[in-house]
Amino acid sequence: GAVVSQHPSWVICKSGTSVKIECRSLDFQATTMFWYRQFPKQSLMLMATSNEGSKATYEQGVEKDKFLINHASLTLSTLTVTSAHPEDSSFYICSARDPGASGRDEQFFGPGTRLTVL
Amino acid sequence: DAKTTQPTSMDCAEGRAANLPCNHSTISGNEYVYWYRQIHSQGPQYIIHGLKNNETNEMASLIITEDRKSSTLILPHATLRDTAVYYCIVRVRAGANNLFFGTGTRLTVIP
Repeated sequence: GAVVSQHPSWVICKSGTSVKIECRSLDFQATTMFWYRQFPKQSLMLMATSNEGSKATYEQGVEKDKFLINHASLTLSTLTVTSAHPEDSSFYICSARDPGASGRDEQFFGPGTRLTVL
Repeated sequence: DAKTTQPTSMDCAEGRAANLPCNHSTISGNEYVYWYRQIHSQGPQYIIHGLKNNETNEMASLIITEDRKSSTLILPHATLRDTAVYYCIVRVRAGANNLFFGTGTRLTVIP
Protein backbone atom coordinates (compact mmCIF):
# COMPACT_ATOMS: atom_id res chain seq x y z
CA GLY A 1 0.00 0.00 0.00
CA ALA A 2 0.92 3.64 -0.28
CA VAL A 3 3.31 4.98 2.32
CA VAL A 4 3.44 8.40 3.88
CA SER A 5 6.33 9.42 6.07
CA GLN A 6 6.78 12.27 8.49
CA HIS A 7 9.94 13.80 9.82
CA PRO A 8 10.79 14.22 12.57
CA SER A 9 8.78 11.70 14.55
CA TRP A 10 9.20 13.83 17.64
CA VAL A 11 10.71 17.18 18.44
CA ILE A 12 11.29 19.25 21.54
CA CYS A 13 11.89 22.95 21.15
CA LYS A 14 12.09 26.10 23.20
CA SER A 15 9.27 28.59 23.30
CA GLY A 16 9.59 31.19 20.57
CA THR A 17 11.45 29.03 18.09
CA SER A 18 10.09 27.65 14.82
CA VAL A 19 9.74 24.00 13.94
CA LYS A 20 9.34 22.47 10.49
CA ILE A 21 7.59 19.14 9.97
CA GLU A 22 7.87 17.29 6.69
CA CYS A 23 5.28 15.01 5.14
CA ARG A 24 6.28 12.86 2.19
CA SER A 25 4.39 10.46 -0.02
CA LEU A 26 6.97 7.80 -0.79
CA ASP A 27 5.48 5.84 -3.66
CA PHE A 28 2.80 8.03 -5.13
CA GLN A 29 2.19 11.62 -6.11
CA ALA A 30 -0.12 13.49 -3.80
CA THR A 31 -1.91 16.46 -5.26
CA THR A 32 -3.58 17.07 -1.91
CA MET A 33 -2.26 16.67 1.59
CA PHE A 34 -4.03 17.34 4.85
CA TRP A 35 -2.61 18.44 8.18
CA TYR A 36 -4.31 17.39 11.39
CA ARG A 37 -3.61 18.15 15.03
CA GLN A 38 -4.46 15.90 17.93
CA PHE A 39 -4.34 16.91 21.59
CA PRO A 40 -4.13 14.24 24.30
CA LYS A 41 -7.25 12.09 24.57
CA GLN A 42 -8.93 14.02 21.79
CA SER A 43 -9.73 13.20 18.20
CA LEU A 44 -7.94 14.47 15.12
CA MET A 45 -8.83 17.97 14.07
CA LEU A 46 -8.17 19.19 10.55
CA MET A 47 -5.92 22.23 10.43
CA ALA A 48 -5.50 22.82 6.73
CA THR A 49 -5.70 21.37 3.27
CA SER A 50 -2.60 21.66 1.15
CA ASN A 51 -2.77 21.56 -2.62
CA GLU A 52 0.38 21.26 -4.68
CA GLY A 53 1.38 24.55 -6.23
CA SER A 54 -1.24 26.67 -4.53
CA LYS A 55 -1.97 28.23 -1.18
CA ALA A 56 -3.24 26.07 1.61
CA THR A 57 -6.81 26.31 2.84
CA TYR A 58 -7.00 26.74 6.59
CA GLU A 59 -9.82 25.68 8.87
CA GLN A 60 -11.58 28.25 10.96
CA GLY A 61 -9.57 29.19 14.00
CA VAL A 62 -6.22 28.07 12.61
CA GLU A 63 -3.78 30.96 12.17
CA LYS A 64 -2.24 30.78 8.73
CA ASP A 65 0.64 33.06 9.73
CA LYS A 66 1.52 30.79 12.61
CA PHE A 67 1.18 27.47 10.82
CA LEU A 68 2.91 27.90 7.49
CA ILE A 69 2.21 25.21 4.94
CA ASN A 70 4.19 24.67 1.77
CA HIS A 71 3.34 22.03 -0.82
CA ALA A 72 6.02 22.68 -3.38
CA SER A 73 6.10 19.25 -4.96
CA LEU A 74 3.78 16.31 -5.49
CA THR A 75 5.55 14.29 -2.82
CA LEU A 76 6.33 16.82 -0.13
CA SER A 77 4.36 19.14 2.11
CA THR A 78 5.81 20.97 5.07
CA LEU A 79 4.20 22.49 8.13
CA THR A 80 6.16 25.14 9.98
CA VAL A 81 5.03 26.10 13.45
CA THR A 82 6.36 29.61 13.88
CA SER A 83 7.14 31.14 17.25
CA ALA A 84 5.99 28.00 18.98
CA HIS A 85 4.49 28.18 22.46
CA PRO A 86 3.67 25.45 24.99
CA GLU A 87 0.03 25.43 23.89
CA ASP A 88 1.19 24.34 20.43
CA SER A 89 2.46 21.10 21.93
CA SER A 90 0.48 18.41 20.18
CA PHE A 91 0.58 15.42 17.85
CA TYR A 92 0.65 16.60 14.24
CA ILE A 93 -0.45 14.14 11.57
CA CYS A 94 -0.49 14.51 7.83
CA SER A 95 -2.36 12.53 5.24
CA ALA A 96 -1.88 12.38 1.50
CA ARG A 97 -4.44 11.72 -1.14
CA ASP A 98 -3.51 9.39 -3.96
CA PRO A 99 -5.78 10.22 -6.91
CA GLY A 100 -4.67 7.04 -8.65
CA ALA A 101 -5.61 4.70 -5.83
CA SER A 102 -8.40 2.25 -6.51
CA GLY A 103 -10.14 -0.36 -4.47
CA ARG A 104 -8.91 0.90 -1.12
CA ASP A 105 -8.81 4.24 0.57
CA GLU A 106 -7.55 7.24 -1.24
CA GLN A 107 -5.98 8.86 1.80
CA PHE A 108 -2.94 7.55 3.56
CA PHE A 109 -1.73 8.83 6.90
CA GLY A 110 1.72 9.53 8.17
CA PRO A 111 2.92 8.20 11.53
CA GLY A 112 2.62 11.61 13.18
CA THR A 113 5.03 14.06 14.77
CA ARG A 114 4.90 14.78 18.47
CA LEU A 115 5.84 18.37 19.21
CA THR A 116 6.70 19.45 22.72
CA VAL A 117 7.34 23.14 23.32
CA LEU A 118 9.11 23.96 26.56
CA ASP B 1 -20.65 14.66 5.48
CA ALA B 2 -23.13 12.81 7.66
CA LYS B 3 -22.51 12.53 11.38
CA THR B 4 -21.79 9.22 13.08
CA THR B 5 -22.42 7.97 16.60
CA GLN B 6 -20.25 5.33 18.25
CA PRO B 7 -19.98 3.98 21.78
CA THR B 8 -17.18 5.58 23.72
CA SER B 9 -15.48 2.36 24.72
CA MET B 10 -15.71 -1.40 24.47
CA ASP B 11 -13.83 -4.39 25.81
CA CYS B 12 -13.26 -7.65 24.02
CA ALA B 13 -11.59 -10.87 25.11
CA GLU B 14 -8.54 -11.90 23.14
CA GLY B 15 -9.42 -14.41 20.44
CA ARG B 16 -13.07 -13.46 20.39
CA ALA B 17 -14.83 -11.42 17.73
CA ALA B 18 -15.03 -7.69 18.33
CA ASN B 19 -18.19 -6.08 17.01
CA LEU B 20 -18.05 -2.30 16.84
CA PRO B 21 -21.31 -0.52 16.01
CA CYS B 22 -21.81 2.80 14.29
CA ASN B 23 -24.97 4.77 13.68
CA HIS B 24 -25.19 7.06 10.66
CA SER B 25 -28.88 7.69 10.28
CA THR B 26 -28.44 10.80 8.10
CA ILE B 27 -26.20 9.13 5.53
CA SER B 28 -26.78 10.21 1.94
CA GLY B 29 -27.04 7.94 -1.05
CA ASN B 30 -23.58 8.79 -2.35
CA GLU B 31 -21.79 8.53 0.99
CA TYR B 32 -19.58 5.63 1.90
CA VAL B 33 -18.87 4.21 5.34
CA TYR B 34 -15.18 4.18 6.18
CA TRP B 35 -13.46 2.68 9.20
CA TYR B 36 -10.06 3.69 10.48
CA ARG B 37 -8.25 2.88 13.66
CA GLN B 38 -5.57 4.67 15.60
CA ILE B 39 -3.20 2.81 17.81
CA HIS B 40 -1.73 4.93 20.56
CA SER B 41 0.69 7.60 19.30
CA GLN B 42 0.43 6.50 15.69
CA GLY B 43 -1.30 7.86 12.61
CA PRO B 44 -4.72 6.49 11.64
CA GLN B 45 -4.79 3.25 9.71
CA TYR B 46 -7.36 2.47 7.08
CA ILE B 47 -9.37 -0.68 7.76
CA ILE B 48 -12.23 -1.01 5.33
CA HIS B 49 -14.98 0.87 3.56
CA GLY B 50 -18.30 0.12 1.88
CA LEU B 51 -21.33 1.66 0.24
CA LYS B 52 -24.22 -0.74 0.79
CA ASN B 53 -22.94 -4.27 0.41
CA ASN B 54 -21.12 -6.11 3.15
CA GLU B 55 -17.37 -6.06 2.69
CA THR B 56 -14.54 -8.23 3.93
CA ASN B 57 -10.80 -7.93 3.72
CA GLU B 58 -7.81 -9.35 5.51
CA MET B 59 -8.36 -7.10 8.50
CA ALA B 60 -12.08 -7.03 9.10
CA SER B 61 -15.64 -7.35 7.89
CA LEU B 62 -18.08 -4.52 7.46
CA ILE B 63 -21.79 -5.17 7.79
CA ILE B 64 -24.07 -2.37 6.60
CA THR B 65 -27.78 -2.54 7.32
CA GLU B 66 -30.17 -2.54 4.42
CA ASP B 67 -31.37 0.99 5.17
CA ARG B 68 -27.69 2.04 5.54
CA LYS B 69 -28.44 3.85 8.77
CA SER B 70 -25.99 1.80 10.76
CA SER B 71 -23.05 -0.51 10.33
CA THR B 72 -20.87 -2.89 12.33
CA LEU B 73 -17.17 -3.46 12.03
CA ILE B 74 -16.18 -7.00 12.92
CA LEU B 75 -12.70 -8.06 13.91
CA PRO B 76 -13.11 -11.84 13.77
CA HIS B 77 -10.37 -12.84 16.18
CA ALA B 78 -9.24 -9.88 18.24
CA THR B 79 -5.64 -9.75 19.40
CA LEU B 80 -3.95 -7.48 21.90
CA ARG B 81 -2.56 -5.49 18.99
CA ASP B 82 -6.09 -4.58 17.97
CA THR B 83 -6.40 -2.35 21.03
CA ALA B 84 -6.98 1.08 19.51
CA VAL B 85 -9.51 3.83 18.90
CA TYR B 86 -11.78 2.91 16.00
CA TYR B 87 -13.34 5.67 13.93
CA CYS B 88 -16.42 5.29 11.76
CA ILE B 89 -16.53 8.00 9.09
CA VAL B 90 -19.16 8.70 6.49
CA ARG B 91 -18.09 10.61 3.42
CA VAL B 92 -18.43 11.04 -0.28
CA ARG B 93 -15.67 8.94 -1.78
CA ALA B 94 -14.62 11.08 -4.69
CA GLY B 95 -13.01 14.44 -4.33
CA ALA B 96 -10.26 15.90 -2.26
CA ASN B 97 -12.27 16.33 0.90
CA ASN B 98 -10.78 15.62 4.27
CA LEU B 99 -11.91 13.01 6.75
CA PHE B 100 -13.91 14.16 9.77
CA PHE B 101 -12.90 12.19 12.83
CA GLY B 102 -15.44 11.97 15.62
CA THR B 103 -14.63 10.62 19.06
CA GLY B 104 -14.47 6.99 17.98
CA THR B 105 -14.69 3.84 20.08
CA ARG B 106 -11.80 2.89 22.29
CA LEU B 107 -11.51 -0.89 21.98
CA THR B 108 -9.52 -2.68 24.64
CA VAL B 109 -8.66 -6.29 23.98
CA ILE B 110 -8.25 -8.14 27.24
CA PRO B 111 -5.92 -11.12 27.61
